[in-house]
Amino acid sequence: EAAVTQSPRNKVTVTGGNVTLSCRQTNSHNYMYWYRQDTGHGLRLIHYSYGAGNLQIGDVPDGYKATRTTQEDFFLLLELASPSQTSLYFCASSDAPGGGYAEQFFGPGTRLTVL
Amino acid sequence: QQNVQQSPESLIVPEGARTSLNCTFSDSASQYFWWYRQHSGKAPKALMSIFSNGEKEEGRFTIHLNKASLHFSLHIRDSQPSDSALYLCAVAYQGGRALIFGTGTTVSVSP
Repeated sequence: EAAVTQSPRNKVTVTGGNVTLSCRQTNSHNYMYWYRQDTGHGLRLIHYSYGAGNLQIGDVPDGYKATRTTQEDFFLLLELASPSQTSLYFCASSDAPGGGYAEQFFGPGTRLTVL
Repeated sequence: QQNVQQSPESLIVPEGARTSLNCTFSDSASQYFWWYRQHSGKAPKALMSIFSNGEKEEGRFTIHLNKASLHFSLHIRDSQPSDSALYLCAVAYQGGRALIFGTGTTVSVSP
């Protein structure tokens, strides 16, 4: 079973604050993804990566930066957090491009609240 | 941009009944079709996938895919309380950058 961990699990910050969400996978997967989950919207892709140093823009990238430092580690950065970014954030990984024919494995999620 | 819609938004079914969930998509080039299940407070986890027209059965779960109708569905027979969860359908195409998820159907199985 693929293992994906996220930290922190819960985070509260204020408007304008800086937040970094961390994700690590230990399954040698090349592909990693950041999603946000909001009621009525399902899972929406923020950014994704094909490997260390690679970054691709997802469907809802505004206000977010991401960095893939190693094959294992993928970070999501909110440099000026806004209340609209209050959400549940999931990281995922897979060993196939685009999550097409191979399963995506999700981390436990980080609940972020921006006051 | 692929548009993936699910119906119904939620449903309540008695234990032992059959449950049917629907997913429609807009891009006829789509090639990979998934159902993910997310229990309350947990991460989504892949349940089943199908890559060609027709039907695929795994235990109590069956997927039907009709690409011409831009529709696929998940059927659960003998529903159990442990099946209570949010069900997310997802679609991708070869060369596509990532899965596109629907908004989800919340299933509650009453004992």
